[in-house]
Amino acid sequence: DAKTTQPTSMDCAEGRAANLPCNHSTISGNEYVYWYRQIHSQGPQYIIHGLKNNETNEMASLIITEDRKSSTLILPHATLRDTAVYYCIVRVGGGNQGGKLIFGQGTELSVKP
Amino acid sequence: GAVVSQHPSWVICKSGTSVKIECRSLDFQATTMFWYRQFPKQSLMLMATSNEGSKATYEQGVEKDKFLINHASLTLSTLTVTSAHPEDSSFYICSASTGVDGYTFGSGTRLTVV
Repeated sequence: DAKTTQPTSMDCAEGRAANLPCNHSTISGNEYVYWYRQIHSQGPQYIIHGLKNNETNEMASLIITEDRKSSTLILPHATLRDTAVYYCIVRVGGGNQGGKLIFGQGTELSVKP
Repeated sequence: GAVVSQHPSWVICKSGTSVKIECRSLDFQATTMFWYRQFPKQSLMLMATSNEGSKATYEQGVEKDKFLINHASLTLSTLTVTSAHPEDSSFYICSASTGVDGYTFGSGTRLTVV
């Protein structure tokens, strides 16, 4: 079973920051948090991942709480093309190609003009 | 960046026939690949983990004799849906591990069994 819970849906105004929360209260110390998104039944697209520290890349920022029981994905300036289902995933198992991604239900983000 | 190619993108087959879906890593070697299934309005469900040169590991409840997985090379894994029936109609997606922390997904295959 997935180790994450997310709100079913969220709305965001175009140009504003989208903050997507995720709870993973049973996460273990060496388990990474991943974020992917899926648009129109395409394959999931990688956004970002992290272990303990906050992470930022060209797409988004990932804020992980100090106790690691929750995290927030931030899209700084949402556009209409960011409308998608966003999945927060805790990787099960270790690295070196030994871990697997178990998807939860995700958050359907709608960016509105 | 790492690219995973999945083929075909869609397929329609008759009930009782078998269908093969290919998943290729184009610019990297993937020791481990994963197969998912997604029904409409639902999330992705992991079906199996495919390791090059060894038998696949299936998730609980997935029929290994119905969903045959072959990972004969470091760049190719195949999923064969045997004796397909309408309830097997779904969106099948593969993923490849690109290293210690990376996972890249294919674009998916829409299977319709009529």
